[in-house]
Amino acid sequence: GNSVTQMEGPVTLSEEAFLTINCTYTATGYPSLFWYVQYPGEGLQLLLKATKADDKGSNKGFEATYRKETTSFHLEKGSVQVSDSAVYFCALRWTGFQKLVFGTGTRLLVSP
Amino acid sequence: DGGITQSPKYLFRKEGQNVTLSCEQNLNHDAMYWYRQDPGQGLRLIYYSQIVNDFQKGDIAEGYSVSREKKESFPLTVTSAQKNPTAFYLCASTSAGSRTDTQYFGPGTRLTVL
Repeated sequence: GNSVTQMEGPVTLSEEAFLTINCTYTATGYPSLFWYVQYPGEGLQLLLKATKADDKGSNKGFEATYRKETTSFHLEKGSVQVSDSAVYFCALRWTGFQKLVFGTGTRLLVSP
Repeated sequence: DGGITQSPKYLFRKEGQNVTLSCEQNLNHDAMYWYRQDPGQGLRLIYYSQIVNDFQKGDIAEGYSVSREKKESFPLTVTSAQKNPTAFYLCASTSAGSRTDTQYFGPGTRLTVL
């Protein structure tokens, strides 16, 4: 079936460090891929998305490239800030299906 | 501003009581969803609706009920049959068009059973 696998957290970094959160997926057809961010006590916010192979989504310094050959959508940021501390969810949605499939989330903790 | 509102933000319930969580959207979206999130875990789908007066069970529908009488509204009732209802509940919506459409989330309701 369709599924998303994320690296387990927490990921602990110092401010200005480079961030990578791994996400791989299993899906039939050509899904769209999403990264959502959840700050403490809040709902999920869309961070970025990519809808076809080799697309790069980007927002607020975060980037992720849709790699069909490796079925991956890793999230990266060149220099993290304390304010980036949150839980990050990778998700996919595929053709003709209205539901999103989420990974389990990865908590990022950034210290000053 | 367009968006999704959920109320209340915090809800306390005694065991054996039914409670209803509100979800309203003004995004003119056709599809709406309810998710449950437990501490340190991902999201699990409870119910979803793609059109007014129609809805489908998600992965963990037991002990929950929904209605979709208006396009803008998708209330969730947590019944006394739900064995462990304490959780964070998230409502979401999307246009029903294609796989590229984004799903938008409300701010959530935290339900605690006393």
